[in-house]
Amino acid sequence: DAKTTQPTSMDCAEGRAANLPCNHSTISGNEYVYWYRQIHSQGPQYIIHGLKNNETNEMASLIITEDRKSSTLILPHATLRDTAVYYCIVIKAAGNKLTFGGGTRVLVKP
Amino acid sequence: ETGVTQSPTHLIKTRGQQVTLRCSSQSGHNTVSWYQQALGQGPQFIFQYYREEENGRGNFPPRFSGLQFPNYSSELNVNALELDDSALYLCASSPEGGPSYNEQFFGPGTRLTVL
Repeated sequence: DAKTTQPTSMDCAEGRAANLPCNHSTISGNEYVYWYRQIHSQGPQYIIHGLKNNETNEMASLIITEDRKSSTLILPHATLRDTAVYYCIVIKAAGNKLTFGGGTRVLVKP
Repeated sequence: ETGVTQSPTHLIKTRGQQVTLRCSSQSGHNTVSWYQQALGQGPQFIFQYYREEENGRGNFPPRFSGLQFPNYSSELNVNALELDDSALYLCASSPEGGPSYNEQFFGPGTRLTVL
């Protein structure tokens, strides 16, 4: 599975959009981009995934560049409860393991 | 719908002992994966079970073993515990097939401390 690169940490103001970048320049055509987050003392939580089209659900939006070498997770209106470590993962559709990197530690401030 | 549950919540063992951790998958999910998360790091894949058979294994020694039962619940067994086995052990279940195969639903984890 392709390797991902994310910033170590970022701060965000409550009520503002949080834009979390992820670089996956070695992604192959059959690999999906998945995002998970882990709130302190909890197990990771699935957020969203995509192949090449932009995706949106009740939690977030995922923007994938046309060359698929990078993506951005957007939390449209960050709340204090969105403070967590966010993981970007690239995996084949039939892949059986999630490879977590270091993730981005997001702190939402009032 | 019941989510993924794990037991026990916390556990303290001494070096050389054996431990069994348990996981109940979410209703309708037949795939269970186990991960080890050391303090300050991302989870590391241990292995996965699909319909009672091992379906992939990460870079963990044979003293890490598992089982999946007909009701799709699962156990993780670790023999000859070492100090470095101290970690949060996470269980995740997922439904069969397609991209949703990777929408894994995680339990709260078992915190294992080896002294």
